[in-house]
Amino acid sequence: EPEVTQTPSHQVTQMGQEVILRCVPISNHLYFYWYRQILGQKVEFLVSFYNNEISEKSEIFDDQFSVERPDGSNFTLKIRSTKLEDSAMYFCASAKEFVWISPLHFGNGTRLTVT
Amino acid sequence: AQTVTQSQPEMSVQEAETVTLSCTYDTSESDYYLFWYKQPPSRQMILVIRQEAYKQQNATENRFSVNFQKAAKSFSLKISDSQLGDAAMYFCAYRVTGGAGGTSYGKLTFGQGTILTVHP
Repeated sequence: EPEVTQTPSHQVTQMGQEVILRCVPISNHLYFYWYRQILGQKVEFLVSFYNNEISEKSEIFDDQFSVERPDGSNFTLKIRSTKLEDSAMYFCASAKEFVWISPLHFGNGTRLTVT
Repeated sequence: AQTVTQSQPEMSVQEAETVTLSCTYDTSESDYYLFWYKQPPSRQMILVIRQEAYKQQNATENRFSVNFQKAAKSFSLKISDSQLGDAAMYFCAYRVTGGAGGTSYGKLTFGQGTILTVHP
C-alpha cells in the first residue's frame, strides 16, 4: 500500500538555525498538510496546501514557517529561525482528489529537537 | 470554531475485554466527518475508523465500532476483544465536509488524546 514518507526521522538543530522537513506524499494525492505534536499534547494543524498554494493555515504558522512543493513529488516545511518551542513531532499528511470524502494519510513523522 | 474534547486522559483494559473511549465535539456544521486515529509508541498516526455525520448507522471495522450520537455531539469508540497491540494513544478527530466548490480543504481538528493501556 502506498505510504507517505518523511525524512529525516529525527532532526536536531540549534536555536536560530533554519531547518527543512521533507515529505513525499502518496503519488496520486492532491491535498497536502503539515501537523505538529508537542510531546504529550494534541496534534495541531499547521497548514494545508492545494494547487501549489496554501489553502488554509493556523495561527501557529507564522512568518517563520513556509511550505513548498518544489517538484512533482516532494512537499517541504521550512522553519527559518528555529525556537526552542518548535521542538515537536511534525507530521506530513496527504489526501486524494476529493478531500471531503478521502481520509488523510499520515507519514511517520519527523521529531525536531531544537537545542 | 470546532472543538473536540476527550475527557479521559488514560484508560486501561484487560486483554480480551471491551473498552469504550469517549469523545465529544462542538460544531455548528451539519455535515462533517469524525475519525478515530491510533498512535502507537512508534508515533505513526493510523486511521482506525471514520463516521460520516449524515449516516445514522454506526461505523464498524472488525473489533472497532463507534457510537455516534449526533444530537448529543458524541462519538465514542468501542474496542472489543482487546489485544496487547491495541495499546496506544487514541485521538478523536473532526473534519467538516467542503463539497465541490467549498472552502474546506480537509483540515482535521484533534482531541487531546486518550492513552489506552492493555493488561495481559
